[in-house]
Amino acid sequence: NAGVTQTPKFQVLKTGQSMTLQCAQDMNHEYMSWYRQDPGMGLRLIHYSVGAGITDQGEVPNGYNVSRSTTEDFPLRLLSAAPSQTSMYFCASSDRVGGYTFGSGTRLTVV
Amino acid sequence: SQQGEEDPQALSIQEGENATMNCSYKTSINNLQWYRQNSGRGLVHLILIRSNEREKHSGRLRVTLDTSKKSSSLLITASRAADTASYFCAGGGADGLTFGKGTHLIIQP
Repeated sequence: NAGVTQTPKFQVLKTGQSMTLQCAQDMNHEYMSWYRQDPGMGLRLIHYSVGAGITDQGEVPNGYNVSRSTTEDFPLRLLSAAPSQTSMYFCASSDRVGGYTFGSGTRLTVV
Repeated sequence: SQQGEEDPQALSIQEGENATMNCSYKTSINNLQWYRQNSGRGLVHLILIRSNEREKHSGRLRVTLDTSKKSSSLLITASRAADTASYFCAGGGADGLTFGKGTHLIIQP
């Protein structure tokens, strides 16, 4: 049981490049969400999904897109990377009952 | 905006002592959750307390919830060096979680 798998673990982008952060869960969880964490801060919600085909914006959605074509996968796309998007990114999933299971994160640097 | 505000921001205690962290939140919640984060790693879910519960235990952890004061506390008893981490409270559910900035706990050997 892998839980929540995020790839890649590290990424360096140039300003203006686009990329997709991958997130997959094998627990058949309905709820999935993406967060960013800046130094010394708590996590801030970027986008979330309550099921396949359903996504919505969180607190800081600008510059990011998501889709949820399957229950298992919830990729996060950076459309045109900016230095302000340098951060640690976490994906998480949950069922209707308990807390969230988090992935180990992707450290993104935009230069 | 942050849902929760943890207090204190940093806490250093001796191994074996108890550690208490507090969380105040702004809006109504269905449940409140506590997470632990070791340096540079993902978050680990510790405990969830529902709005109709006042106290919950899990091993050395004790969480209280006072919905009238919009506050919660996390008590770690008999602390160990491995408890050194950042601790976050979070509110939310299907629509994701809203976190506080966390309490950084250091357990001195």
